Amino acid sequence: DTGVSQNPRHKITKRGQNVTFRCDPISEHNRLYWYRQTLGQGPEFLTYFQNEAQLEKSRLLSDRFSAERPKGSFSTLEIQRTEQGDSAMYLCASSTTTGGDSGRTHWYNEQFFGPGTRLTVL
Amino acid sequence: AQTVTQSQPEMSVQEAETVTLSCTYDTSESNYYLFWYKQPPSRQMILVIRQEAYKQQNATENRFSVNFQKAAKSFSLKISDSQLGDTAMYFCARSSGYALNFGKGTSLLVTP
Repeated sequence: DTGVSQNPRHKITKRGQNVTFRCDPISEHNRLYWYRQTLGQGPEFLTYFQNEAQLEKSRLLSDRFSAERPKGSFSTLEIQRTEQGDSAMYLCASSTTTGGDSGRTHWYNEQFFGPGTRLTVL
Repeated sequence: AQTVTQSQPEMSVQEAETVTLSCTYDTSESNYYLFWYKQPPSRQMILVIRQEAYKQQNATENRFSVNFQKAAKSFSLKISDSQLGDTAMYFCARSSGYALNFGKGTSLLVTP
């Protein structure tokens, strides 16, 4: 399977514990995104990497959240001191940077999504 | 706050019929992209169709087509010849930099 993979698929934790999720993007994709999806809502953007550089962070990403992509390949998302409000599906997506017309900013390359990690905080 | 609005939380259509899902959005950008993503039950999201705002021609992908009204900031999805496998959540999204800004989704049920 050459798609985006995420581990674990499910995580149940107690309030106050730390959790870490992993995302493995499609191998040639150098952009990686994290989103959070709560029940009844669409995904909300959290952060984005190009290679190992974290280029954009949403205000949703509080100080308890940290994301890394140390070698420009897989990424981890850590939540410290989890709260019940952190319960959600955490989605990872990846895309390439090639293509597009010169002179146009933010050329869009399709984001391929992983299956998500469902976090339940008790 | 969501700036992409999907006003139909749930819709139902019979197999082989046509259904249209609505989406409106806010933006101050002149160049942006619009998308419809499909999320089947317990499966990952996949891109159905995309539209570049500077292109006036409506995008089509087989049975899926869009009606893009830039001035009205409207972007509806038409599914023709609906199939049982089209049952899913459908999310409208707008580009925001390199990220995507999603609506709350429309749950589509295709019945035999």
